[in-house]
Amino acid sequence: DGGITQSPKYLFRKEGQNVTLSCEQNLNHDAMYWYRQDPGQGLRLIYYSQIVNDFQKGDIAEGYSVSREKKESFPLTVTSAQKNPTAFYLCASSTLGPNTEAFFGQGTRLTVV
Amino acid sequence: AQSVAQPEDQVNVAEGNPLTVKCTYSVSGNPYLFWYVQYPNRGLQFLLKYITGDNLVKGSYGFEAEFNKSQTSFHLKKPSALVSDSALYFCAVRPPTGGGNKLTFGTGTQLKVEL
Repeated sequence: DGGITQSPKYLFRKEGQNVTLSCEQNLNHDAMYWYRQDPGQGLRLIYYSQIVNDFQKGDIAEGYSVSREKKESFPLTVTSAQKNPTAFYLCASSTLGPNTEAFFGQGTRLTVV
Repeated sequence: AQSVAQPEDQVNVAEGNPLTVKCTYSVSGNPYLFWYVQYPNRGLQFLLKYITGDNLVKGSYGFEAEFNKSQTSFHLKKPSALVSDSALYFCAVRPPTGGGNKLTFGTGTQLKVEL
């Protein structure tokens, strides 16, 4: 079954800790994205990658880091520098090209405790 | 830079009535436009897209959307709403070139269909 898998579904972080959210896809997509969702703000782009070993900052990259060592994987690390990390995080992938839709994972809800 | 506006935070409609969820966009050149739906605590599901050609686009679950270039709008419509259509709907835009393949989303519209 093809798709995007995000794990874990729920994640709790203590203040000052780094945490890593996993995103894996078996759709053979070149492009992958991380979005943050907050109530009333829609989806905001954190980072995106169009090819292995390359990625670009989105609109709200501060306090986050990513890697793209494999085509299938695009993990997101929420660092202690992110002042307000509690949110719903969504990973997506697509083929390259502006006319292609993105496919989304089921999301990870991160809560700072 | 591209942007999307969804002017209504919530839309309420009775089951069986037609529904419209509004979206306007701003982008340089001809846009690529998308609608997604999100159920609680889930990811986004693709509904439909406008690339080029016919201004009326048909998608999943009986939804359709009308592209209007002069009004820079891409409103989502359905002739007869179902209670199961109740969800959060997002409009998104990509520029035709450049932009790193990024999708820019609106803030979402909560659709509530009541009996």
